[in-house]
Amino acid sequence: QVQLLESGGGVVQPGRSLRLSCVASGFTFSDSGMHWVRQAPGKGLEWVAVIWPDGSNKYYADSVKGRFSISRDNSKNTVYLQMNSLRVEDTAVYYCARDRYYDISGIYFYVTDVWGQGTTVTVSS
Amino acid sequence: DIQMTQSPSSLSASVGDRVTITCRASQGITSHLNWYQHKPGKPPKVLIYAASNLQSGVPSRFSGSGSGTDFTLTINSLQPEDFATYYCQQSYSTPWTFGQGTKVEIK
Repeated sequence: QVQLLESGGGVVQPGRSLRLSCVASGFTFSDSGMHWVRQAPGKGLEWVAVIWPDGSNKYYADSVKGRFSISRDNSKNTVYLQMNSLRVEDTAVYYCARDRYYDISGIYFYVTDVWGQGTTVTVSS
Repeated sequence: DIQMTQSPSSLSASVGDRVTITCRASQGITSHLNWYQHKPGKPPKVLIYAASNLQSGVPSRFSGSGSGTDFTLTINSLQPEDFATYYCQQSYSTPWTFGQGTKVEIK
């Protein structure tokens, strides 16, 4: 069964750090790019970051660039999100999601097809 | 960054209705457009990838169309389990971006 399980959320003061983890099972983790997506209370979905299967490339939303860092350990089937200098506006449910591509007529189309249940991060003094 | 704009932001519909949601990209994204359904307390679920391709296991009453900058999600014969928020997302270039969402409510 393909599954993603996030952990590491909690309540933290502004300016502090937190590291989220997401453990994958049921598929070949090292073959898949991985994303983090968040949803703030009462708001829509916001893409946060992506990491390539081998960790060679990483991309971030402008809102977290320079503060958050995505990484992975393929030997542990785990992707991480290191969140530094947290702000009140980082309060959200954070989801990890698997990247999948479809080859349609020689063009690759990407989609996040498997999602974890989410972990809640609350930044408050 | 590519901006995604959905309309309407919310709508009320009855079971059995046909519902259409539109999504416009701020620049051309060919067919790199995905649609998701999101219910409270659950993770998002992909419905459509590459603008018009139905994800495995998704009912055929869901369909997508469009290319370039304008896209549409259609739900034929709305079912009780379809009341949710729907998001478009572009995967043409990073940062990937979502539309603001369309909440489909019961009339």
